[in-house]
Amino acid sequence: KNEVEQSPQNLTAQEGEFITINCSYSVGISALHWLQQHPGGGIVSLFMLSSGKKKHGRLIATINIQEKHSSLHITASHPRDSAVYICAVTNGGGADGLTFGKGTHLIIQP
Amino acid sequence: DGGITQSPKYLFRKEGQNVTLSCEQNLNHDAMYWYRQDPGQGLRLIYYSQIVNDFQKGDIAEGYSVSREKKESFPLTVTSAQKNPTAFYLCASSIWAGNTEAFFGQGTRLTVV
Repeated sequence: KNEVEQSPQNLTAQEGEFITINCSYSVGISALHWLQQHPGGGIVSLFMLSSGKKKHGRLIATINIQEKHSSLHITASHPRDSAVYICAVTNGGGADGLTFGKGTHLIIQP
Repeated sequence: DGGITQSPKYLFRKEGQNVTLSCEQNLNHDAMYWYRQDPGQGLRLIYYSQIVNDFQKGDIAEGYSVSREKKESFPLTVTSAQKNPTAFYLCASSIWAGNTEAFFGQGTRLTVV
């Protein structure tokens, strides 16, 4: 079973700062997801990666398959970015869905 | 628009009562999943279904039951046997089991008092 670790668990930063959230996993995967969860629980899918880098607005996600590591970056952070960010992996060939990290609770102060 | 609908968003029940959480998708996906989230823990798999009329237990299936009579619907029943039912429940789907792209519902927060 894959083990997914995220760091940091909690992060408080000032508006405008560059944010990095890290995710590592123990077993080879077919894809990695970054999700955003706002207070109240609703989950939004931000990225799905199997290699390289993706960018959407101020968000950038990278993955290094050899090192089993991914990062989510937020540029020019804003208080509306405050949320829990969750990393999840699809186990290669597995039919039993995703394995999730515990999440990173991000607070951006004005 | 295609997507996954979970209802209701918030649900309150008395201890000892069974409660059924709804999950409907109009994406024509074969595979559907139920996950549970507790404070400080990652989402964990309760049950999954690869195709209509078929489902398998996940990591924490005790105290839960599911059915998959229709492709678009995968309801989860939290039974009175579930010792700690208060949690956030998330439904997800993918076009087929093992496919990398997953779609998520908005979740249901269940509180049992």
